[in-house]
Amino acid sequence: AQSVTQPDIHITVSEGASLELRCNYSYGATPYLFWYVQSPGQGLQLLLKYFSGDTLVQGIKGFEAEFKRSQSSFNLRKPSVHWSDAAEYFCAVALSGGYNKLIFGAGTRLAVHP
Amino acid sequence: GAVVSQHPSWVICKSGTSVKIECRSLDFQATTMFWYRQFPKQSLMLMATSNEGSKATYEQGVEKDKFLINHASLTLSTLTVTSAHPEDSSFYICSAGHGNTEAFFGQGTRLTVV
Repeated sequence: AQSVTQPDIHITVSEGASLELRCNYSYGATPYLFWYVQSPGQGLQLLLKYFSGDTLVQGIKGFEAEFKRSQSSFNLRKPSVHWSDAAEYFCAVALSGGYNKLIFGAGTRLAVHP
Repeated sequence: GAVVSQHPSWVICKSGTSVKIECRSLDFQATTMFWYRQFPKQSLMLMATSNEGSKATYEQGVEKDKFLINHASLTLSTLTVTSAHPEDSSFYICSAGHGNTEAFFGQGTRLTVV
């Protein structure tokens, strides 16, 4: 069965520091992978997605993610974090049968210190 | 990007009553929509797949008689929580696919059952 693991429940970084959020997936075929961000009490906003091709994916707000098949990972990175990046981040994989039916990881809550 | 709108954003109801949540795709047609549930500080769990013109498909463990889903048109899916109880209090989010490239999420509905 497909699954997504985000090992870090909570991460705190200083503003301006680099960031890496980890995501590992379990999926038999080539996965469709996503990173979403959620502010408190809000819906989800797509940061970036990977379907195929270049394994380094650029997203919005300066985020990028790298798909590594050998490690079953899709880690999210940002070179310099801003205070406004504080939010909950979810990694997701699309289930077979559609791009839109998603399994989410547990999420990583990012706190940013000034 | 495509817009998905949920209504209401929050609702408080008495135990034993029913609550209807609407999910609309504003600028595209969606033959399939998805309903997720999110408990505080937890991830999103897929509840069901809403199919236009046919019965919804529920995930294992989700009570179909309690969470009634209707997808009567290509732009509207509704989730009705019947005989709500405090344990049904949660954040409910819908999503709809557009162009088979990604899912667009509504802003969510916070349900509180008192």
